[in-house]
Amino acid sequence: DAGVTQSPTHLIKTRGQQVTLRCSPKSGHDTVSWYQQALGQGPQFIFQYYEEEERQRGNFPDRFSGHQFPNYSSELNVNALLLGDSALYLCASSGGLNGHNEQFFGPGTRLTVL
Amino acid sequence: QQPVQSPQAVILREGEDAVINCSSSKALYSVHWYRQKHGEAPVFLMILLKGGEQKGHEKISASFNEKKQQSSLYLTASQLSYSGTYFCGTGDYSSASKIIFGSGTRLSIRP
Repeated sequence: DAGVTQSPTHLIKTRGQQVTLRCSPKSGHDTVSWYQQALGQGPQFIFQYYEEEERQRGNFPDRFSGHQFPNYSSELNVNALLLGDSALYLCASSGGLNGHNEQFFGPGTRLTVL
Repeated sequence: QQPVQSPQAVILREGEDAVINCSSSKALYSVHWYRQKHGEAPVFLMILLKGGEQKGHEKISASFNEKKQQSSLYLTASQLSYSGTYFCGTGDYSSASKIIFGSGTRLSIRP
């Protein structure tokens, strides 16, 4: 079992550009959540996808959008990048929306905006 | 709303015990505990649900006081491998699967 995988590992962009991050959930998991983690802070909830629809959303602007594919993998898109978007982006997968189940985190994508 | 963790940081000698607290202003459906080592992803420790608790590891346990909307993580006879940042994540009744994390407690273990 490969666990949760994310790509790319690192990314450097300039202000105003757009970025797409990818996540493949753990085998058997159908729910994907995305988090932004700034240095020294806890993960901040961006949004969650289940059955190809956004089910929950945190306090992030519309510049942050996502998608889930039929195979449960997911993408996070960020438009018009700002310096403050520099962070570790974590993807977590779980089974279902009942909140009973543990989330498995991927290794993250380190985004640097210059 | 983000749960509040205390203390923010703690330094122990190997073999000592530690308690990390997590409190919320909202009624909680679940509390999730994770440990994150530098440069790595958070690793699941355990989840506690209303009306019960689950132990994920032998010397690491947790309690959930639903009336006080608090949870505590107990680390006994700490080992060097326990070092890292501990996060609690909470889910409430309106959005049980939306887990909101605290800012973390940094635990350092000295030999």
